[in-house]
Amino acid sequence: EVQLLESGGGLVQPGGSLRLSCAASGFDFSTYAMTWVRQAPGRGLEWVSLISGAGGDTFYADSVKGRFTISRDNSKNTVSLHMDSLRPEDTAVYYCARDVINGWFDHWGQGTLVTVSS
Amino acid sequence: DIQMTQSPSSLSAFLGDRVSITCRAGQNIRRHLNWYQQKPGKAPKILIYAASTLQNGVPSRFTGSGSGTEFTLTISSLQPEDFATYYCQQSYTTPYTFGQGTKLQIK
Repeated sequence: EVQLLESGGGLVQPGGSLRLSCAASGFDFSTYAMTWVRQAPGRGLEWVSLISGAGGDTFYADSVKGRFTISRDNSKNTVSLHMDSLRPEDTAVYYCARDVINGWFDHWGQGTLVTVSS
Repeated sequence: DIQMTQSPSSLSAFLGDRVSITCRAGQNIRRHLNWYQQKPGKAPKILIYAASTLQNGVPSRFTGSGSGTEFTLTISSLQPEDFATYYCQQSYTTPYTFGQGTKLQIK
């Protein structure tokens, strides 16, 4: 059974940093791209970032480019999102998801809440 | 970025009704269009990918159609578990983008 479990969310002050992790199990992790999608309270879904299976290719939404860094450790079946210079508008539930080839997401974690506030 | 626009933003319907949700892309995305269902407090769930392919385990009352810039999700006979928010998403190019969502409510 495919499982994705996010961790690392919490309360952080504006300008601060946070690192989210997603632990994957139940599939051949290194053969899938992984993605992060976020959802601000009461709002819609926003794609954040993508990393290829081998980790050599990364992509970002314009809203986070230069502030967020996606990475993965295929030996530990984890994907991470390092978030710097956080802003109140980054407040959201952050989901990791498995990216099937052609860019649709077939399995999602339960999400982790990030709150950016002073 | 490719803008995705869904209509309507909200929809009320009766059990057993047939409903359709439209998603328009800001440019030609061929058939790189996916549909998700999300219930409150839960992660989204993939329903349809590549415009019309039903994900394994999704009931056949869900159908997707369209190509290019206009796409439709149709639910043929609404069941209680279908009342949720639906999102389209283009996977033609990064940055991937979602529609703003359509909230389907019981009338």
